[in-house]
Amino acid sequence: DVKVTQSSRYLVKRTGEKVFLECVQDMDHENMFWYRQDPGLGLRLIYFSYDVKMKEKGDIPEGYSVSREKKERFSLILESASTNQTSMYLCASRVIIQGLSQNYGYTFGSGTRLTVV
Amino acid sequence: AQSVTQLGSHVSVSEGALVLLRCNYSSSVPPYLFWYVQYPNQGLQLLLKYTTGATLVKGINGFEAEFKKSETSFHLTKPSAHMSDAAEYFCAVSRIITGGYNKLIFGAGTRLAVHP
Repeated sequence: DVKVTQSSRYLVKRTGEKVFLECVQDMDHENMFWYRQDPGLGLRLIYFSYDVKMKEKGDIPEGYSVSREKKERFSLILESASTNQTSMYLCASRVIIQGLSQNYGYTFGSGTRLTVV
Repeated sequence: AQSVTQLGSHVSVSEGALVLLRCNYSSSVPPYLFWYVQYPNQGLQLLLKYTTGATLVKGINGFEAEFKKSETSFHLTKPSAHMSDAAEYFCAVSRIITGGYNKLIFGAGTRLAVHP
């Protein structure tokens, strides 16, 4: 079965800390995404990656960066955590078949609930 | 630009009643539409999708949705609610971005409560 694994379910970090959220997929998917989920706002895209070593900003990239050194792993980095980054973070991946990606939905991880104090 | 509006942030139904969750989209091109479900403390799971072809699509757990181009809608229905359907539901539309790639734009979500 297809799987996206996020390394932590719950994290508590202090303001100013550098935070790493890890996501690993075992499906050889090209595309990977990081979203944050907040009540009433749905899911908002932070960063995404077309393929290894490629990254693009999403709708709310400020305060975040990403790394994709290997195809299966996509890391989200909070350079200096702030309380307004307290949220649920969701990682997702998607396959590309015959150059088409829009037909296929995302596979999501279980999420990491981050609290910054 | 593509966007998604889900009408009603909270919907409450009785067990056995019809479930109707509303989704309207805006898209300048033929849309690809999705419904996802999120159970408590879990990630999102794909319920169903519309890409091309038949406008009534069936998904998992007895849910279905109908694509109505004239109404720009993609409402989710289930004839008879079950307690296990209590969850948050997200509608999404695929949007083309730079380089020909696309991403999903999500609605704000509708939380479904099912009471005995």
